[in-house]
Amino acid sequence: DIQMTQSPSSLSASVGDRVTMTCRPSQSLNTDLNWYQQRQGEPPNLLIYGVSNLQSGVPSRFAGSGSGTDFTLTINSLQPEDFAVYYCQQSKSAPYSFGQGTRLEI
Amino acid sequence: QVQLQESGPGLVKPSETLSLTCSVSGDSMTGHFWIWLRQSPEKGLEWIGYVYNTWTTYYNPSLKSRVTISMETSNNHFSLSLNSVTAADTAVYFCARGINNGPYWYFDLWGRGTLVTVSS
Repeated sequence: DIQMTQSPSSLSASVGDRVTMTCRPSQSLNTDLNWYQQRQGEPPNLLIYGVSNLQSGVPSRFAGSGSGTDFTLTINSLQPEDFAVYYCQQSKSAPYSFGQGTRLEI
Repeated sequence: QVQLQESGPGLVKPSETLSLTCSVSGDSMTGHFWIWLRQSPEKGLEWIGYVYNTWTTYYNPSLKSRVTISMETSNNHFSLSLNSVTAADTAVYFCARGINNGPYWYFDLWGRGTLVTVSS
């Protein structure tokens, strides 16, 4: 099974900041990396698929990058609604595993 | 607008069977993957398995011996059955739609989730 490790586990920032979080799979991935946002009390919401493709309706301040075993989610100009937990997920092979999440806090 | 809605008992006794249904509205079920996942503080987000085009299923090996996922396109719903449950199966259960988009595979729509507690 592919293990997904996210860092940091939590991150403090302010509205308007630029933040970056990392996801490191235990095996090399090609384009098989997705990012989700989960607000309190809500289901995960797809932000980015295939490393860097923005899901329809997701603001352009979200950006994904990386390759192999090192992937990054960047959020530019943080908005109040961005404070949530962010998960990476590998879609290379079943079971399709998630990281433990990065909590973005004010 | 496509929506998914989970339904089923919120409390299941140990050793019994957990049964949930996901109702799909606003979309045909044909050609998509229909997925169950769960989330608990102990295990985080966990993929349980999927059903595709009625007869194709694939399960998480860690749950495979206890899980059945089925779909009924005529009624636009799919179901999860997990037998011999223990307290470790207590979680919020989500249904979701899986999209195979060229080289990409992702879960683009989720239900709101339903909490299932295993307790006597």
